[in-house]
Amino acid sequence: DAGITQSPRHKVTETGTPVTLRCHQTENHRYMYWYRQDPGHGLRLIHYSYGVKDTDKGEVSDGYSVSRSKTEDFLLTLESATSSQTSVYFCAISLPGGLAGGASTDTQYFGPGTRLTVL
Amino acid sequence: GDSVTQMEGPVTLSEEAFLTINCTYTATGYPSLFWYVQYPGEGLQLLLKATKADDKGSNKGFEATYRKETTSFHLEKGSVQVSDSAVYFCALSDQGSGNTGKLIFGQGTTLQVKP
Repeated sequence: DAGITQSPRHKVTETGTPVTLRCHQTENHRYMYWYRQDPGHGLRLIHYSYGVKDTDKGEVSDGYSVSRSKTEDFLLTLESATSSQTSVYFCAISLPGGLAGGASTDTQYFGPGTRLTVL
Repeated sequence: GDSVTQMEGPVTLSEEAFLTINCTYTATGYPSLFWYVQYPGEGLQLLLKATKADDKGSNKGFEATYRKETTSFHLEKGSVQVSDSAVYFCALSDQGSGNTGKLIFGQGTTLQVKP
């Protein structure tokens, strides 16, 4: 258990409204990631962070912004939600190794997800 | 750019059947390869990984071998159980991004095991 929580777990909102999703970790990991999961696309990276106030874009960053003002929290904001942003959003953190006998390559651990519906 | 392709599902098997889920990749460097599993209503869990060519990752009866010559990382299990019903994702580490740990995922394969 990598101590990752996401809030809210479910949200329904209307087109044009701002939405903020929160990812919280308890173990001081440096790297954090936001993905969206859609049928037929697997998971796609939205943004990631490599430290406090250090963030970068992923594959599908348009329409999203992020902030990381402290190590334990990584926020994802939809400034003006659209129906195309209806999805399941997962936060992840990166740990070295990951399995017994694992090598040094970083391995990601995921939160439980947030199901967002934009009407 | 780097990419991962998985066999399309759903895959439906009877309990105790042999499982293979195909995964092939395209990468310019030498990525690490992963299999993640997602049970209904849950997040993704790391199932196994391999970090270099010819490595075999294994966990919970599942195994996959990193084949550089065929750019493949097929997931296998000798005898599936109903509890193995889930969505399985193949992924690779994005070497082009430096040491950031970013992953590129396949589209996922749904496995349904019937009693």
